[in-house]
Amino acid sequence: GAVVSQHPSWVICKSGTSVKIECRSLDFQATTMFWYRQFPKQSLMLMATSNEGSKATYEQGVEKDKFLINHASLTLSTLTVTSAHPEDSSFYICSASREESARPRADTDTQYFGPGTRLTVL
Amino acid sequence: AQSVAQPEDQVNVAEGNPLTVKCTYSVSGNPYLFWYVQYPNRGLQFLLKYITGDNLVKGSYGFEAEFNKSQTSFHLKKPSALVSDSALYFCLGGNQAGTALIFGKGTTLSVSS
Repeated sequence: GAVVSQHPSWVICKSGTSVKIECRSLDFQATTMFWYRQFPKQSLMLMATSNEGSKATYEQGVEKDKFLINHASLTLSTLTVTSAHPEDSSFYICSASREESARPRADTDTQYFGPGTRLTVL
Repeated sequence: AQSVAQPEDQVNVAEGNPLTVKCTYSVSGNPYLFWYVQYPNRGLQFLLKYITGDNLVKGSYGFEAEFNKSQTSFHLKKPSALVSDSALYFCLGGNQAGTALIFGKGTTLSVSS
């Protein structure tokens, strides 16, 4: 149990276009989903936390107008990279938590990670 | 600044031998600590976590970790390594003050038969 999928697994796009990445919890309802970005040879960086039906909470330094997050249901969250540029090229990973709390926390909730999406912007 | 360190890029052990993957942390307040494993072409999988309670935490696949406050460490251990344990291991940490989860850089574990 606790499987999380991401689609697509790999995407190449032209500079200036927008790309949508889907994150789905396949066998459980995810109260909270987290989005991470991984730079080459570096650790994951938390970008934002999203709860179903409410606005995402972005980490400091992450442009919310650049990285649009929608959490439409308890099994689906999407990350849209708007007007992508080559510097947005990265590995994006989502995770989902099924722990119910008034304040979801990336640093305490057990998370189940998706396999990641490789974005290359030309 | 808060940080989580995994001092070893790679750990090599023979099958059947005990293994240790090291993690040290520097966070303000009470730390929350996790270990995740990433197998090739798969997402991160949860192994275990420490939030409060017993310092020795037992997790999936026979792994355990000991929270040592004086040494600010949370080393991952297993008494007898398997070849199938070969993977990339991440230590993660945070504290009660914020939502940010800090990842260690990862340690590649290679178990030889």
